[in-house]
Formats: sequence, C-alpha cells, structure tokens
Amino acid sequence: KQEVTQIPAALSVPEGENLVLNCSFTDSAIYNLQWFRQDPGKGLTSLLLIQSSQREQTSGRLNASLDKSSGRSTLYIAASQPGDSATYLCAVGDMGRRALTFGSGTRLQVQP
Amino acid sequence: NAGVTQTPKFQVLKTGQSMTLQCAQDMNHNSMYWYRQDPGMGLRLIYYSASEGTTDKGEVPNGYNVSRLNKREFSLRLESAAPSQTSVYFCASLKGPPDTQYFGPGTRLTVL
Repeated sequence: KQEVTQIPAALSVPEGENLVLNCSFTDSAIYNLQWFRQDPGKGLTSLLLIQSSQREQTSGRLNASLDKSSGRSTLYIAASQPGDSATYLCAVGDMGRRALTFGSGTRLQVQP
Repeated sequence: NAGVTQTPKFQVLKTGQSMTLQCAQDMNHNSMYWYRQDPGMGLRLIYYSASEGTTDKGEVPNGYNVSRLNKREFSLRLESAAPSQTSVYFCASLKGPPDTQYFGPGTRLTVL
C-alpha cells in the first residue's frame, strides 16, 4: 500500500525566504506526482504535476522535483510572500486508476 | 465552464439519516473520484469511476454507495450516517493526458 509522508508538518518563515517542502513515498511505481495548495476551509488548487518520466517542473516562483527511484519529491518556493500561506499537499498517482494517495500536508505561514 | 461543482456545501445530519452528495463536471472527463478529508490528514479515496456505469471501491468505501448514471454526474450516498463519517468530501475529475485531477470545492458534513 502506498504511503506518502510530508515533512515538516508545519513551517513558519519570514517573508522573502526561500524554502523547501519535502514529500516521500514508499512505492516508486507511480504514474505521476502532483502538488496542491489548500487554503483554510477551501478546496484544492493544483500547483504542479510531474510525470513519472520527468525530473522537475517549474511555474513562476515554484519548482518541484521528482526522484522516483528514491521515492522523494521537493517543492521549492522562492522569495516567499504572505500570500503563500496555506497548506501544501503532495499526492502520487497510481498506475491503474490514476487515483491519488495524499500526504498529510505541510502548513506554511509566511510572516510579513 | 464551471469545472467541478458539488452540492450541498454544508450539511448536518443525525445518526441514521441518509443523504446524497452530488457532483457534476462540465469538462467531458471520463474518470471521476470521491475523496474524504479528516482533520490534519490528507485526502483518502472512497470510490472511483472510470466511465459512465462503472464504479470501483477505493481505500475507505464502507458505509457509502455511488452512482455514475451519465458522464457528467457522480453521486455519493450515505444510507445510514454515522459520526465517523463527519468529514469534508471532495469530488474530482481527471483530465488526461497529462492526467491532472481537478477538484470541486467540497461538502462539509457533520453527523451528530
């Protein structure tokens, strides 16, 4: 059974810092990996999707990497802003149904 | 183009009552999913549908039934609600390739 772990569970940083969120998974036979943002009481917003054959994806200040063999992904946020405060969820897609297995998330707070 | 819509947004039930959560997507996607999210946890798959008329159990299907009568709609039914079903329920549909999941805004359900 796939298990996804996210470290740290919570993070508080001053505005302007670069930061890294970590995600690990136990079964390397994944189809893809997706990073989401979730604001309190809201739904999920897709940030980046990495196919299993890819090593990284970038969107603006966000960069996500994937090392499938070691079962790890990182989300790098450059020059953090208070508006980045949210919970970030990592999810891996299975080969068959493309269903997602989620980590518990990293709750990020960026202090002005 | 409304994406994935869910109704209702909030619901309070008493133990033993039944209800149906509705989900619809207007993106012509084949695959749809139901997940639940409990406090401090990631989302867990309840049921999956690859196409109209087909459904498959996920990680936590007990106490739920689903119906996929057409391509647009995928409903989740609680026949006899229990306090353990208090959760936030998310519906998603799959756009592929590159197989990105799009989520609805969620239904917040409380069972007393």
